[in-house]
Amino acid sequence: GAVVSQHPSRVICKSGTSVKIECRSLDFQATTMFWYRQFPKQSLMLMATSNEGSKATYEQGVEKDKFLINHASLTLSTLTVTSAHPEDSSFYICSAGSGGPAADTQYFGPGTRLTVL
Amino acid sequence: GNSVTQMEGPVTLSEEAFLTINCTYTATGYPSLFWYVQYPGEGLQLLLKATKADDKGSNKGFEATYRKETTSFHLEKGSVQVSDSAVYFCALGSAGGTSYGKLTFGQGTILTVHP
Repeated sequence: GAVVSQHPSRVICKSGTSVKIECRSLDFQATTMFWYRQFPKQSLMLMATSNEGSKATYEQGVEKDKFLINHASLTLSTLTVTSAHPEDSSFYICSAGSGGPAADTQYFGPGTRLTVL
Repeated sequence: GNSVTQMEGPVTLSEEAFLTINCTYTATGYPSLFWYVQYPGEGLQLLLKATKADDKGSNKGFEATYRKETTSFHLEKGSVQVSDSAVYFCALGSAGGTSYGKLTFGQGTILTVHP
């Protein structure tokens, strides 16, 4: 149980285009989803927290107009990188939390490798 | 604010060697502590967790004890295998308030185990 999927796993795009990444909880309802960014050989940096049906909460320094997050249902959150540039190239990871007794446990997706040319 | 400091890697061991990866933290309140593992080409997986002081989390031969007096959560395994080669992340879960559920990660430690 507690499986989280991400799509696509890899994406290459041209500078200036927008890219949408989907994060789905497959076998549980995720009240909260988190989006992280991981640079090569570095740790995960939290970008934003999203709760179903409400606006995402962004971490300091993260541009909310550039990284659009939508959490339309209890099983789906999307991250759209708008007007992507080469410096946005990174590994984007989502996680989902189900609340309840294990509210502090997050389940991670496999990540999406974004390369902006 | 919350922070997690992990032992710098990479760590290279021979099979059946003893493993310790140090992790210390700074936090307000009473956070939960986690170890996550990331195998090559895969996402993070929860390895073990502890939710209060003196709790011991264990899984797959790995264990870590929540030490509040030393603010530590060191990961140990008595005999590593080649299949344990991965990146290990220590993480702290915010205890409450508006930050509830947020994880703060250490920088990760790359472990390579040779036959």
